[in-house]
Amino acid sequence: QKEVEQDPGPLSVPEGAIVSLNCTYSNSAFQYFMWYRQYSRKGPELLMYTYSSGNKEDGRFTAQVDKSSKYISLFIRDSQPSDSATYLCAMREGGSEKLVFGKGTKLTVNP
Amino acid sequence: SQTIHQWPATLVQPVGSPLSLECTVEGTSNPNLYWYRQAAGRGLQLLFYSVGIGQISSEVPQNLSASRPQDRQFILSSKKLLLSDSGFYLCAWSLGIITEAFFGQGTRLTVV
Repeated sequence: QKEVEQDPGPLSVPEGAIVSLNCTYSNSAFQYFMWYRQYSRKGPELLMYTYSSGNKEDGRFTAQVDKSSKYISLFIRDSQPSDSATYLCAMREGGSEKLVFGKGTKLTVNP
Repeated sequence: SQTIHQWPATLVQPVGSPLSLECTVEGTSNPNLYWYRQAAGRGLQLLFYSVGIGQISSEVPQNLSASRPQDRQFILSSKKLLLSDSGFYLCAWSLGIITEAFFGQGTRLTVV
């Protein structure tokens, strides 16, 4: 079992839809969780950063962490064509310098 | 504010040639520095990370090496490139072990 599993998609939704992106993981030592957005041929851009379980909201984006289920989610409300990108989840153990990434989910928002 | 510079953006090199990719960070001190490679369908693979000058940890045995000659400079090198070294190389930095990581814009390397 891979440490971090992420459905690669592709995921296609109409403009204005609510998008749900998810990752599961097997390492219970992960404590720090991140979501990155990556446009084609660009470096990943940090969207959300959370520690331990709970929710965090930033504008149209909400990140959820459920450590008991080893499951994290990113919700995008009122999705826009500019949200079309690949979304990567990333995680880090407490005390570790290393980030472990999911493979990314490619999202297309159609106008 | 902090910025990260990575160059070149694209590179085409023949098999057997050397490689040097450079990454620098501005606006912070003593960052953790990382080199990742991204291949289609394989996600981001951590190649090297460094917590200080001259301190390099290798994650994947391969044809590449890394060096950190200055606090905010991280270099990825190869003496002889292989076809399998083609990919998208990303440099990243973070402050310590509890913070998020920030990425450069990447170098797309094609070995021909």
